[in-house]
Amino acid sequence: DTGVSQDPRHKITKRGQNVTFRCDPISEHNRLYWYRQTLGQGPEFLTYFQNEAQLEKSRLLSDRFSAERPKGSFSTLEIQRTEQGDSAMYLCASSLLAGPNTGELFFGEGSRLTVL
Amino acid sequence: GNSVTQMEGPVTLSEEAFLTINCTYTATGYPSLFWYVQYPGEGLQLLLKATKADDKGSNKGFEATYRKETTSFHLEKGSVQVSDSAVYFCAPGDDKIIFGKGTRLHILP
Repeated sequence: DTGVSQDPRHKITKRGQNVTFRCDPISEHNRLYWYRQTLGQGPEFLTYFQNEAQLEKSRLLSDRFSAERPKGSFSTLEIQRTEQGDSAMYLCASSLLAGPNTGELFFGEGSRLTVL
Repeated sequence: GNSVTQMEGPVTLSEEAFLTINCTYTATGYPSLFWYVQYPGEGLQLLLKATKADDKGSNKGFEATYRKETTSFHLEKGSVQVSDSAVYFCAPGDDKIIFGKGTRLHILP
């Protein structure tokens, strides 16, 4: 399977614990995005990378959230000191910077976080 | 920054009915415009897109036209099928792509 993969698919944690999600994009894609989606809402932009550079981070994003893409391939999203309000589906997407499919986001299946 | 407003759902139609889902946006400049769809139990996927004014995106019988004057990108289909039941998201953007809240569509046989 050469699509976007995310791990873990489900994570249940207690409030105050740290969690980390991993995303492996489509191999030739330069851009990688993180979104958060709650029930009945559209994906909310969190951050995106072009290669290894983090180009934008949502101003609504707490300092407890951090993302990395150290070698311009896979990315991790860490949430420190989780709160119940962090419960959501965390979506990763990747895209190409040039070519006929420029801008088209390819999404992974998501990582569902439940904070108890 | 960009923002998007789309028609609230759920929308329930009978098979073969005509569908319109409204989408308007605010943006600096002229972003690319996308419609994404999420079928039950599946991830988000691109339905169609338009990259400049007056462009028409089309796929699977769905169409949407980039209207610069009204900053709109309404989704239409002439005859819906039960298999079109899904959640549809309007999404403007080039670098940072933002999503509407989604419109859930139910098609009755």
